[in-house]
Amino acid sequence: KAGVTQTPRYLIKTRGQQVTLSCSPISGHRSVSWYQQTPGQGLQFLFEYFSETQRNKGNFPGRFSGRQFSNSRSEMNVSTLELGDSALYLCASSLAVPLYNEQFFGPGTRLTVL
Amino acid sequence: KNEVEQSPQNLTAQEGEFITINCSYSVGISALHWLQQHPGGGIVSLFMLSSGKKKHGRLIATINIQEKHSSLHITASHPRDSAVYICAVYDFSGAGSYQLTFGKGTKLSVIP
Repeated sequence: KAGVTQTPRYLIKTRGQQVTLSCSPISGHRSVSWYQQTPGQGLQFLFEYFSETQRNKGNFPGRFSGRQFSNSRSEMNVSTLELGDSALYLCASSLAVPLYNEQFFGPGTRLTVL
Repeated sequence: KNEVEQSPQNLTAQEGEFITINCSYSVGISALHWLQQHPGGGIVSLFMLSSGKKKHGRLIATINIQEKHSSLHITASHPRDSAVYICAVYDFSGAGSYQLTFGKGTKLSVIP
């Protein structure tokens, strides 16, 4: 069974640009969660999608958005990039609600904003 | 907002030692996960707990709901256990809605 895949793996952007990251979950998994990891703040929860609906959201500004498609693949978008958005962005998939289901993490997309 | 504290922040152990990593939180929770992150960045989910104790191989995780505290133990530690261990707490508020807060992580180095 293929694991969670994320594309691209590395990305360099400049301030003010926007970026779209993609996550393909494990087949059969309907929940996809996104996380931001930085050296200063550690891991932070961005949002969770289940059956194409955003079910939960962390404390991030509206510049961070996402969506999920009918095949459970998910994308997240960051508009008007800031230097502080440089981070490792991780997605994870699970069969259902992550509280009580094991999450499987992708390798991450490392975003650098110059 | 749940405040999650992990201790210690850094831990160096000799191969074979028994290791304990702690996670304390301020508000009652529905579930707690322990995660392992290797130097390459990949994260693996180790345990999901809502009560009691779980064991997998040399790893044991416990949670005390009344004391708002969880521990991760590694018996007979090995250099391949060197990683960052992160606890994540879920506060479920119903209808699929929850708050999720992470600890800052404990960096473990096991020396041969």
